[in-house]
Amino acid sequence: SQQGEEDPQALSIQEGENATMNCSYKTSINNLQWYRQNSGRGLVHLILIRSNEREKHSGRLRVTLDTSKKSSSLLITASRAADTASYFCATDSRRNNNDMRFGAGTRLTVKP
Amino acid sequence: EAGVAQSPRYKIIEKRQSVAFWCNPISGHATLYWYQQILGQGPKLLIQFQNNGVVDDSQLPKDRFSAERLKGVDSTLKIQPAKLEDSAVYLCASSFRTSGAAEQFFGPGTRLTVL
Repeated sequence: SQQGEEDPQALSIQEGENATMNCSYKTSINNLQWYRQNSGRGLVHLILIRSNEREKHSGRLRVTLDTSKKSSSLLITASRAADTASYFCATDSRRNNNDMRFGAGTRLTVKP
Repeated sequence: EAGVAQSPRYKIIEKRQSVAFWCNPISGHATLYWYQQILGQGPKLLIQFQNNGVVDDSQLPKDRFSAERLKGVDSTLKIQPAKLEDSAVYLCASSFRTSGAAEQFFGPGTRLTVL
């Protein structure tokens, strides 16, 4: 069964704008990861945040984690057309044998 | 560094036929995963190997799906017999260690269409 749920399901913005995607999950987790998937490069790891961390940055990406609300957000600043893709959060927990469970994803479209 | 290789990239079969997918992970990665991704959904883990041993196959439909990793490197996933609902992209991934804290590297996937 899938653990995370991304919100919104789809997001369309103009190039240069910021994009925020949210992920909610149900059980306590060890780690949360964000992945990007597009037709050209397949599924690619973006960033991992551990349950004892609250925020991480990687280039134009900023991830936050609120374990009390069981939620995470991915912010992409100054978006580019090349950021057009589906974004998935994936969580692992002891309840699921420490396997990664993916959400259904947010489809981001960045218009040039 | 070479990525995860998968073949074939596309496969079309009729229901009740058999099909097999092949995966070659990144060199040195002990952990290998097979995922099923149905259109519009996120990947769903089917089976996880650590070297040539199965770590978790709790979500693998064992009545029709099987997988092996005999020498701890390449892996094959088989479906026999296929059903219409097996139409999906089958993704192989590998990681350096078995842990949710490990980044997984994904192959391009095999798109299966069952008619």
